[in-house]
Amino acid sequence: DGGITQSPKYLFRKEGQNVTLSCEQNLNHDAMYWYRQDPGQGLRLIYYSQIVNDFQKGDIAEGYSVSREKKESFPLTVTSAQKNPTAFYLCASSLIQRAADGYTFGSGTRLTVV
Amino acid sequence: RKEVEQDPGPFNVPEGATVAFNCTYSNSASQSFFWYRQDCRKEPKLLMSVYSSGNEDGRFTAQLNRASQYISLLIRDSKLSDSATYLCVVNPKASGSARQLTFGSGTQLTVLP
Repeated sequence: DGGITQSPKYLFRKEGQNVTLSCEQNLNHDAMYWYRQDPGQGLRLIYYSQIVNDFQKGDIAEGYSVSREKKESFPLTVTSAQKNPTAFYLCASSLIQRAADGYTFGSGTRLTVV
Repeated sequence: RKEVEQDPGPFNVPEGATVAFNCTYSNSASQSFFWYRQDCRKEPKLLMSVYSSGNEDGRFTAQLNRASQYISLLIRDSKLSDSATYLCVVNPKASGSARQLTFGSGTQLTVLP
């Protein structure tokens, strides 16, 4: 079955450490996205990518980095510059030409700073 | 003003009740509209797209009022399994570009036995 796989499900980060969240899709979707969700709040866009080797900053890109070396993969690195990284991170994908389809989300990674 | 605003609730309703959620959006050029459902500690899942003429899917009815920049979701005959947070989602862009959906903060619904 097609879908988006995020790993790990839970991640603990020490102060000053970089961590990378994985996102892989086999839906043949063009675009991929990273969102952050804090308790009781809506989703906020971190980065998005329309095609391989190209990506754009979202609303809250500071302290994060991404790469898009393959169509299927869009990993997110949370760097030590991100001062408040504890949150629920969601990866999504979409077909650019199918506006009515919305996004498909992965099951998320819950990141906690220890 | 937030781009997408929803009443956060919580809405606590008995089984079988009809409940309505409202949402307003600020960008009059917005192109596509959706309702997503998010269960506790899970990812959002698409419930339904919202079309200008209004659309229905079983017990769920979505309406769009472009003039008032207002979207609604009506749930009839509520079930316990409808308990979740409902996210109003707006896309300001047309097809042909990576869509940057804007999410409301969600309205929490609890259906009580």
